Amino acid sequence: GAVVSQHPSWVICKSGTSVKIECRSLDFQATTMFWYRQFPKQSLMLMATSNEGSKATYEQGVEKDKFLINHASLTLSTLTVTSAHPEDSSFYICSARETTGYEGETQYFGPGTRLLVL
Amino acid sequence: AQTVTQSQPEMSVQEAETVTLSCTYDTSESDYYLFWYKQPPSRQMILVIRQEAYKQQNATENRFSVNFQKAAKSFSLKISDSQLGDAAMYFCAYFRNQFYFGTGTSLTVIP
Repeated sequence: GAVVSQHPSWVICKSGTSVKIECRSLDFQATTMFWYRQFPKQSLMLMATSNEGSKATYEQGVEKDKFLINHASLTLSTLTVTSAHPEDSSFYICSARETTGYEGETQYFGPGTRLLVL
Repeated sequence: AQTVTQSQPEMSVQEAETVTLSCTYDTSESDYYLFWYKQPPSRQMILVIRQEAYKQQNATENRFSVNFQKAAKSFSLKISDSQLGDAAMYFCAYFRNQFYFGTGTSLTVIP
């Protein structure tokens, strides 16, 4: 099946710094990518929908100025956590929607990025 | 917003036995997709099975099958011949334009 990668898989940063997380679809084109946040033992919460070449759509309660999303190409979306604080520590997961899908909906998830803000 | 409910936070099954995980959802749409995802300790989301709402036939993937009851808005997952590697968190998900996930069921497989 199709592969989605995320980089880095682990990041530790100091409070106040910015962190960029990359999500790449390795063998398919994705016009739409999704960014999720998952707290321990909880479900995935959609943060934003990233569309190639246009502005991301953020879910209610998600600060767009804090979580900057850029979908510059059909294979790459980035999430930048600006001025990170300890409460931003979480597991961030992206998924990519295959552009030339078959009959149905297919999305592929990245392996996730663990962010720890000290 | 659509809601997905998994009423079983934890389940356990004896190895080689069968277990059923429950999921209900709420929607006013007629066309959508339903999924079961598995999330092992690595936290990589792994697609287990997918069901298109317009298909009446229940999806099956090897030891995994679903019981899709569209009118009842129910989508349960049956795991047959459970294996130790099946131990994970299982998420039921509804998709129409975006995913809506349930809260998950933690499955333990007892040797």
